[in-house]
Amino acid sequence: DQQVKQNSPSLSVQEGRISILNCDYTNSMFDYFLWYKKYPAEGPTFLISISSIKDKNEDGRFTVFLNKSAKHLSLHIVPSQPGDSAVYFCAAPRTAMNYGGATNKLIFGTGTLLAVQP
Amino acid sequence: ETGVTQSPTHLIKTRGQQVTLRCSSQSGHNTVSWYQQALGQGPQFIFQYYREEENGRGNFPPRFSGLQFPNYSSELNVNALELDDSALYLCASSLPGQGASGYGYTFGSGTRLTVV
Repeated sequence: DQQVKQNSPSLSVQEGRISILNCDYTNSMFDYFLWYKKYPAEGPTFLISISSIKDKNEDGRFTVFLNKSAKHLSLHIVPSQPGDSAVYFCAAPRTAMNYGGATNKLIFGTGTLLAVQP
Repeated sequence: ETGVTQSPTHLIKTRGQQVTLRCSSQSGHNTVSWYQQALGQGPQFIFQYYREEENGRGNFPPRFSGLQFPNYSSELNVNALELDDSALYLCASSLPGQGASGYGYTFGSGTRLTVV
């Protein structure tokens, strides 16, 4: 059950142009969405997030848009730089109650490899 | 402030063997989660440890087990290795309660396990 989906395995853009990475989800109960960036041989690092009560969040060159009716979010990078080349994961946190209390976990999409060409 | 450290970085094991992966959490973080990232996939939640006890598990069989120590470091053990266990294993530390919004996770660089 893939609750978070990234249908584009890769994306190539020219330096200075806009990069748009897409993510779809099936679970309308998600309260937050996050984007993580991962370089080779490094762990994922948090990039930007958005609450489900908002439709846009901006942080410098990075903007995330949320369309709840379409269950779709996108990450815009403007302008794209060669250092942005990495795998980008869309993720959503889920909380499950169990015998030990609450367990928080992240549900990740499959990732999109962004290549920014100089 | 130290980050999350995982060891070893790479490992090759034979099918049927057992493996132990290690993780030192970020200073002050007392919750550790383990994720498996197979090739071409996103990280999948294995389990979480808090106060030295397993505190939730994903869809992984019992041959995946773990430990957390008083200094909050953790181990992931996999018994009877199968070829499909070949993956990048990521450890993430956090403080309790931070995970509900998704903030506050610090990931290690992972251990690349290859089962032959």
